Amino acid sequence: QLQLQESGPGLVKPSETLSVTCTVSGGSISTSNYYWGWLRQFPGKGLEWIGTLHYSGSTLYNPSLKSRVSISVDTSRNQFSLNLMSVTAADTAFYYCVRLADGSWYSHLDFWGQGMLVTVSS
Amino acid sequence: EVVLTQSPDFQSVSPKEKVTITCRASQYISNSLHWYQQKPDQSPKLLIKYASQSFSGAPSRFSGSGSGTDFTLTIDSLEAEDAATYYCHQSSILPFTFGGGTKVEI
Repeated sequence: QLQLQESGPGLVKPSETLSVTCTVSGGSISTSNYYWGWLRQFPGKGLEWIGTLHYSGSTLYNPSLKSRVSISVDTSRNQFSLNLMSVTAADTAFYYCVRLADGSWYSHLDFWGQGMLVTVSS
Repeated sequence: EVVLTQSPDFQSVSPKEKVTITCRASQYISNSLHWYQQKPDQSPKLLIKYASQSFSGAPSRFSGSGSGTDFTLTIDSLEAEDAATYYCHQSSILPFTFGGGTKVEI
């Protein structure tokens, strides 16, 4: 059974970089059948798409975050990572890694990690 | 960006009742609309993909319909375990967006 697990610091200081890693188990990240992505959910429950990654390294980002976000892949570790720079309190949220099905950027999210709360505070 | 407007925001229902949740898109998105269920302290889970296709493992009482800009999620004969917040999501136009959620209380 495929599992996705987020990990990283749960507390980040304002103006610093938020870094979260997703470890994929039960399946390979290096397949053209799937894409991989990051979402976040704010304390008020709203969901926001951050970006999507193909194992080749190609990425697609939300324009509202594009200047601050970077998503990368480490196929040897079956992991992909999110870096969000210059964070503020408004970036406090649960961060989810997800799998996109159908071998397309434009697809539904069929597997989700359990989510990780990242708080931005001094 | 495409704004997805869900209604109602909240619904209190009794077991075995039928629940209908709507999601209206601000632009045409064909059938690229998906539904998720999120229970307290859990991550969202896919229920319906491409407006009307059931996802493997989702109970058969969940169904979806619609195309273009207007979509519906229906729960036939609600069960206690269906207490959750339901979200729609469009994957047609960048940036991909989500509805604000509908909380179903039993």
